[in-house]
Amino acid sequence: DTEVTQTPKHLVMGMTNKKSLKCEQHMGHRAMYWYKQKAKKPPELMFVYSYEKLSINESVPSRFSPECPNSSLLNLHLHALQPEDSALYLCASSQEAVSWGAPSNEQFFGPGTRLTVL
Amino acid sequence: AQTVTQSQPEMSVQEAETVTLSCTYDTSENNYYLFWYKQPPSRQMILVIRQEAYKQQNATENRFSVNFQKAAKSFSLKISDSQLGDTAMYFCAFMTLLSGNTPLVFGKGTRLSVIA
Repeated sequence: DTEVTQTPKHLVMGMTNKKSLKCEQHMGHRAMYWYKQKAKKPPELMFVYSYEKLSINESVPSRFSPECPNSSLLNLHLHALQPEDSALYLCASSQEAVSWGAPSNEQFFGPGTRLTVL
Repeated sequence: AQTVTQSQPEMSVQEAETVTLSCTYDTSENNYYLFWYKQPPSRQMILVIRQEAYKQQNATENRFSVNFQKAAKSFSLKISDSQLGDTAMYFCAFMTLLSGNTPLVFGKGTRLSVIA
């Protein structure tokens, strides 16, 4: 299984709603990532989890709250979002890059959740 | 800080022809990885090819090959025998190898259109 799955595929929410995005992988990867991608732009890193602990937070507003309940799951909780937060949210996973020549330190991406904030 | 530059926002190529996408990067690190990712319209981002900086031999994957020039900090992607399914956004990406995991640094992307 070399797949990263994300649910839902599409999400429309109001600025007062609370919703969650989910990401799952069963490749045994211990690093998981959240990216935000605007149209025709590269992905922008938001958070990195390593061994279920938050290791990088790229100064993301607190209205985005990540959670890693176990090594296979990654959530992104959304609350009081703004219209400018509308974007494609990508999840990715990778093995820990612990040495050169590691068989696979590439990041595997999910299909994304397209979020629209009204 | 590392930066990745893709100087061609858009390119087009005739089906069956060859096209080269440019990428340059800036880093003070000696050991790192370089990647080309493909993102078709409304579809998932997938890895096309990767190159370890310590390897002198250029990576190849079927119709895809790279020209890695470490001294010049250049990492171009050549697509041979272009197919309609190659139409996508292509991102060049860089990653160092520090303790633990490190995130990817992406270029701004090149939108490639393959024309029948």
